[in-house]
Amino acid sequence: EVQLVESGGGLVQPGRSLRLSCAASGFTFDDYAMHWVRQAPGKGLEWVSGISWNSGSIGYADSVKGRFTISRDNAKNSLYLQMNSLRAEDTALYYCAKVHTAGTGSNVYFDYWGQGTLVTVSS
Amino acid sequence: SYVLTQPPSVSVAPGQTARITCGGNNIGSKSVHWYQQKPGQAPVLVVYDDSDRPSGIPERFSGSNSGNTATLTISRVEAGDEADYYCQVWDSSSDQGVFGGGTKLTVL
Repeated sequence: EVQLVESGGGLVQPGRSLRLSCAASGFTFDDYAMHWVRQAPGKGLEWVSGISWNSGSIGYADSVKGRFTISRDNAKNSLYLQMNSLRAEDTALYYCAKVHTAGTGSNVYFDYWGQGTLVTVSS
Repeated sequence: SYVLTQPPSVSVAPGQTARITCGGNNIGSKSVHWYQQKPGQAPVLVVYDDSDRPSGIPERFSGSNSGNTATLTISRVEAGDEADYYCQVWDSSSDQGVFGGGTKLTVL
């Protein structure tokens, strides 16, 4: 059974940093690309970032480019999102999502999702 | 950047057919994917590549895509289908994922 478990969320002041983690199990982690998708309270889904199986291809939404960094450790079956210079508008539930293929950048869709970790940016 | 437009809400009586649209410029040239999200839960993929269903998704869920509109069709709607539905594509020009704003399906 595929399981994705996010952690690392919490309350953080504007301008500070936070690192999210996603622990994966139930599939061969290094065979698939992984992404982060977020959802602000009461709002819709927003794609944040994606990384290919070997970290060779990485992408970001314009809203987080230059502030967020995605990475993965295939030896630890883990996905990460380093979030710097956080803003109030980054407040959201952050989902880790598995992609159906190894690459990212062509016909990407998300076949499994975690339950999310909540990030609240407020002073 | 590429924009996907969904109606905010759709209402349907039990047993009837619900159609949720997703509009985008020449969306017919892209592969469209649909997710169901119930309150307090993570999204679930219900249709991928315009019209394919993941295992475990009822045949009542189907999709189509042509021109500037993709459609998720739910036949013989049940109370348990009440949820938010999101369409999604990959925008190759910007190399970014794109979601529609979501449609709340209400079963009357």
